[in-house]
This record gives sequence, structure tokens and C-alpha cells, in this order.
Amino acid sequence: DSGVTQTPKHLITATGQRVTLRCSPRSGDLSVYWYQQSLDQGLQFLIQYYNGEERAKGNILERFSAQQFPDLHSELNLSSLELGDSALYFCASSVGRGGIGNEQFFGPGTRLTVL
Amino acid sequence: QKEVEQDPGPLSVPEGAIVSLNCTYSNSAFQYFMWYRQYSRKGPELLMYTYSSGNKEDGRFTAQVDKSSKYISLFIRDSQPSDSATYLCAMRVDSSYKLIFGSGTRLLVRP
Repeated sequence: DSGVTQTPKHLITATGQRVTLRCSPRSGDLSVYWYQQSLDQGLQFLIQYYNGEERAKGNILERFSAQQFPDLHSELNLSSLELGDSALYFCASSVGRGGIGNEQFFGPGTRLTVL
Repeated sequence: QKEVEQDPGPLSVPEGAIVSLNCTYSNSAFQYFMWYRQYSRKGPELLMYTYSSGNKEDGRFTAQVDKSSKYISLFIRDSQPSDSATYLCAMRVDSSYKLIFGSGTRLLVRP
């Protein structure tokens, strides 16, 4: 158990809908990262937050947004869902922003199915 | 061409064998190298991380980085059926927090 928690474990929804995925980082970690894992694309970095502020953006669609709250939990919002958004969404956390010893620990993931 | 290349396998070995897993990369700016293990339908679990070139050992696992060849390896000694999983290499540059992952190698250790 990495100490990173994610809810819900599974989500089944329809195209065009909006969902929110939630992540709580390990105790003491200030950075939260979101990744998408699909069969054809592998694990892709979406976005990073550090202590409430956006730090880095990856291949995140404009239909997706995220935020980190004062208690350091984070939410990933996915809207206007398409079939191709079906994937595993992982949250990871780390102590700081980068450098040695700042490795990322992953949560168990949320499996999103868009029908 | 992908930044990080990894043979998807599957790699099937008998219990007790030495396993060698490899990744090649194209970005010479990568400085941090990691190996994650992912069981089916679970989150990736950090196994090893190294900074720059050289070897690092942890129990049955040895991580090796050869920056001149842009090649990293993970060796598993005395492999066990519980080692059956997908192994992902990951790397990043110093100035970025974004991990670039290989596609993963599926390993099966037969009892």
C-alpha cells in the first residue's frame, strides 16, 4: 500500500457526461500528479500540482481540468466524455517538486468506462 | 519514435531464473531512472530509482544505467512466481517533474 488513495475505484458513465476523480496524497506529500493509462498510449502524464498550484502540464485535454485543495487532496474533472477517454486514471504523490529523493508513489487508480 | 522504448514481452521464465529487463531511450537529458512493477489492475509500485550512470542493488533487484548507450536494465535474481507482473521503466530530466514511461514488459515466472 503506497499511502495514496483514490476514489472511486470504478466509474461507468455515458458519452457527453462529466465525472470527478478524487485523490488523497501520502501524508506529508505536497505534490500530486495525474496520469492516464490506456492500452494504446501506455502511461501518460497529465498534470502536476504542488501545494495547491499547478506546476506542470502534460498531454491533458482541454475537456479535462484538475485542482488541489488546501488539505492537499486533488480532483481531476473530465467533461464531455468520449469513448476514447475510457482508461485507468492514476494519481501519484511526492514530497517536493523534483530532484533526488522526490520519487512518485502511485495510488490504486480509477477505472473509467465510457459507454 | 518514442522517447522510451521497451519490449512488451511477454517474457516467460522458470522459477529461480535470472531475469533481465531493458529500456532504451533517445533523450540524453534524462537523469533520473526508475523501475515500477504493476500487477494486473493495480497501481504502479516503485521498485528502484537511480540517478545518473551506475548500478544500484536492493535485495534480489539490481538496476543498471548506461548513459553513454542510453540503456537501462533491471535484473531480478532467483525469480519467483510472485514477480509475475508488468515492469515499467520511467525516466525524467532534472528540470521536469514529468515521468516518461516505457510501454512495460510483461513477465511471467513459471513455478
